[in-house]
Amino acid sequence: GAVVSQHPSWVICKSGTSVKIECRSLDFQATTMFWYRQFPKQSLMLMATSNEGSKATYEQGVEKDKFLINHASLTLSTLTVTSAHPEDSSFYICSATAGLAGTEQYFGPGTRLTVT
Amino acid sequence: AQSVTQPDIHITVSEGASLELRCNYSYGATPYLFWYVQSPGQGLQLLLKYFSGDTLVQGIKGFEAEFKRSQSSFNLRKPSVHWSDAAEYFCAVGADSWGKFQFGAGTQVVVTP
Repeated sequence: GAVVSQHPSWVICKSGTSVKIECRSLDFQATTMFWYRQFPKQSLMLMATSNEGSKATYEQGVEKDKFLINHASLTLSTLTVTSAHPEDSSFYICSATAGLAGTEQYFGPGTRLTVT
Repeated sequence: AQSVTQPDIHITVSEGASLELRCNYSYGATPYLFWYVQSPGQGLQLLLKYFSGDTLVQGIKGFEAEFKRSQSSFNLRKPSVHWSDAAEYFCAVGADSWGKFQFGAGTQVVVTP
């Protein structure tokens, strides 16, 4: 199957700083990428839908100014957590799809963010 | 409203025994249904999916799932579990296979010797 990578796999940052997480589709062009957030022992919650070349669509309750998403190319989407606080600590997972009928969605391994 | 319910948060099963994970959904239209497995440090791996056709779906790693429209269920089964099946399992629903999904809360499976 197709491969989606995330970088970094884990990151620790201080409260008030910003951190960027990358999501890459390694062997296919991803017109659409999704960003999920997973709290310990809980499910994945969709944060936003990212389409290449256009603004991301955020789910209700997700602060678009805190979670900046950029999908500048068909293989890369980035999630920047701005002015991070301890409550932003979580596991962030991206998925990528070619966005065509019959195609699949592939998930990255996730990024563990800890804000101290 | 759309929802996915996995009633069992945690299941312990002996190696070699059978396993069944429950999933119930609420969805306005005919949904795509998925089962994913998540192992520590790894991304979600698709086990199987269903949209139409035969209601008994075969997946990878010896898993199968049965779609029951009357019960709004899509339960996952494996006849004989292996220690490597210990992981978190998620049921998901979506309008298609390439769009956004809604996930259940997950079921943690522990396999004992």
